[in-house]
Amino acid sequence: DQQVKQNSPSLSVQEGRISILNCDYTNSMFDYFLWYKKYPAEGPTFLISISSIKDKNEDGRFTVFLNKSAKHLSLHIVPSQPGDSAVYFCAASIGSQGNLIFGKGTKLSVKP
Amino acid sequence: ETGVTQSPTHLIKTRGQQVTLRCSSQSGHNTVSWYQQALGQGPQFIFQYYREEENGRGNFPPRFSGLQFPNYSSELNVNALELDDSALYLCASSWDRMNYGYTFGSGTRLTVV
Repeated sequence: DQQVKQNSPSLSVQEGRISILNCDYTNSMFDYFLWYKKYPAEGPTFLISISSIKDKNEDGRFTVFLNKSAKHLSLHIVPSQPGDSAVYFCAASIGSQGNLIFGKGTKLSVKP
Repeated sequence: ETGVTQSPTHLIKTRGQQVTLRCSSQSGHNTVSWYQQALGQGPQFIFQYYREEENGRGNFPPRFSGLQFPNYSSELNVNALELDDSALYLCASSWDRMNYGYTFGSGTRLTVV
């Protein structure tokens, strides 16, 4: 019973274009959402987060959108760069200190 | 000291054995969480320690246990290893329990044969 779902195992994008990674959740108690990036042989690195009181949060090239009614969030990367190639994990928690529930990840490949 | 260091990086154990995995957190990081990441899956929360006390536990049996020490190091112990325990074990620490503040280690790859 997966509470956080990333239905696309992989995504390939051309350098300079937009990458859109999607995430769905089922538990309506989740109110804090995060995206992590993971390179091979490294631990996940925090990228960006959003609280349920917002519907958008931006940090440079990265923007996270939250649609609470659809229980859906997405991460936009504009413009995509080859260094963005990694596995991206969506995670959710109840409160900003709750334990993280992760999705299975989406492998992003940005081609030069 | 910066970063989170986990040891060993790789480990092979036999079913039924016991294993101890270690994590060294950044100075001042009073919160440590452990996650299990099976192949093709996302990390799954095992438990969290805050100021040396267990502060939350995921859906893992009691044979998974932990310790956190005053010097910002911690351990994950697994008894009676099963084949399904084969996974990457990640340690994450923060100074204030805020999720966005977690720094993850590179993990220990445990293989149970």
